[in-house]
Amino acid sequence: EPEVTQTPSHQVTQMGQEVILRCVPISNHLYFYWYRQILGQKVEFLVSFYNNEISEKSEIFDDQFSVERPDGSNFTLKIRSTKLEDSAMYFCASSGNRDPYNEQFFGPGTRLTVL
Amino acid sequence: AQKVTQAQTEISVVEKEDVTLDCVYETRDTTYYLFWYKQPPSGELVFLIRRNSFDEQNEISGRYSWNFQKSTSSFNFTITASQVVDSAVYFCALSEGVNTGFQKLVFGTGTRLLVSP
Repeated sequence: EPEVTQTPSHQVTQMGQEVILRCVPISNHLYFYWYRQILGQKVEFLVSFYNNEISEKSEIFDDQFSVERPDGSNFTLKIRSTKLEDSAMYFCASSGNRDPYNEQFFGPGTRLTVL
Repeated sequence: AQKVTQAQTEISVVEKEDVTLDCVYETRDTTYYLFWYKQPPSGELVFLIRRNSFDEQNEISGRYSWNFQKSTSSFNFTITASQVVDSAVYFCALSEGVNTGFQKLVFGTGTRLLVSP
């Protein structure tokens, strides 16, 4: 069964460093998303991406964040200069098309720890 | 603004008990979609169900059932004869946005369900 994969599973970094979180969405999906979950809290939407551009982003997704689909399979989230409060689980998701009846499939997450 | 409230932070039951997880939502849209996701201790998010705002029919899937009531803006989830493997955090989520294509899921704060043997 196709699934969304994410690497690494856990990333530890120093404050101020850049990190890139990687995701491989399900191969025939067209819509890609990043969400984050601060420990013990709810899952929060960051950004959605379609046709090589951002289609919606939240107020969390400021200039420190960027997303890219560098090739036909990967979808990345870059945090330019990490802050302590960026420590969270980051989930990538993908969906087949714009019809919301096709649910978003989530990857297993990357736990980011900023020291 | 869209909002999802899960007032129950944590519920503890003994195996074989029935348990209902509450979800109340707010939206200005007439077209929207509701979801439940399960997050087991391993951390991944597992899709359970979706419902659109025009379909108020209740649904049953094995031991799981969902009660959608637009009149009270609620989408409650019941597990019948709970099992230890049901222990997880359960999230209710809302998707709206006729103009934006329903791309953003807004999650509630989750309900942690602990099922003891």
